[in-house]
Amino acid sequence: DGGITQSPKYLFRKEGQNVTLSCEQNLNHDAMYWYRQDPGQGLRLIYYSQIVNDFQKGDIAEGYSVSREKKESFPLTVTSAQKNPTAFYLCASSILAGGLETQYFGPGTRLLVL
Amino acid sequence: AQTVTQSQPEMSVQEAETVTLSCTYDTSENNYYLFWYKQPPSRQMILVIRQEAYKQQNATENRFSVNFQKAAKSFSLKISDSQLGDTAMYFCAFRRSQGNLIFGKGTKLSVKP
Repeated sequence: DGGITQSPKYLFRKEGQNVTLSCEQNLNHDAMYWYRQDPGQGLRLIYYSQIVNDFQKGDIAEGYSVSREKKESFPLTVTSAQKNPTAFYLCASSILAGGLETQYFGPGTRLLVL
Repeated sequence: AQTVTQSQPEMSVQEAETVTLSCTYDTSENNYYLFWYKQPPSRQMILVIRQEAYKQQNATENRFSVNFQKAAKSFSLKISDSQLGDTAMYFCAFRRSQGNLIFGKGTKLSVKP
């Protein structure tokens, strides 16, 4: 099956702990994205990457880090510097077509603070 | 900076009827793209429909169509023959020709039997 997988579905973080959310795609898409969704809010961009070994900050990058060592994978680390990490996290990917490229989303990870 | 506004936090419609969700955006760009995404209770984001700003013809996908008014910067979504499975959050999104998606805050649609 082609698609985007995110794991785990639920993740619990203790105070001061770093946690990593996984995102994998087998669609051969060039670009990958991480969004945060809070209740009553739209999606806000955390980080994105258009090619391997390169990534850019989005609107709310503080307290997060990413890597893009493989085209298929774009893990997100929520560091202890992120003081309000409780949210729903969505990963997306797209081809780069110079125009009407569509982002396709994974099923999401819900992060909760203990 | 570009912004996307969805002025209806919640709406409801009877099954088989038609409903229109509103979206306005603010940009100085001339070439851009607009999207409607659906997020059902499963929380999976699903593309509903998309529109290129340089195309005057309104996009249509089965029961879903848009009313794109470029001068008014309006991009409403019409759902015809509403079905129970259409119950979801609907997000309008904007993207410049070179840029990232900017989402509105969403409209919660409930389809009632």
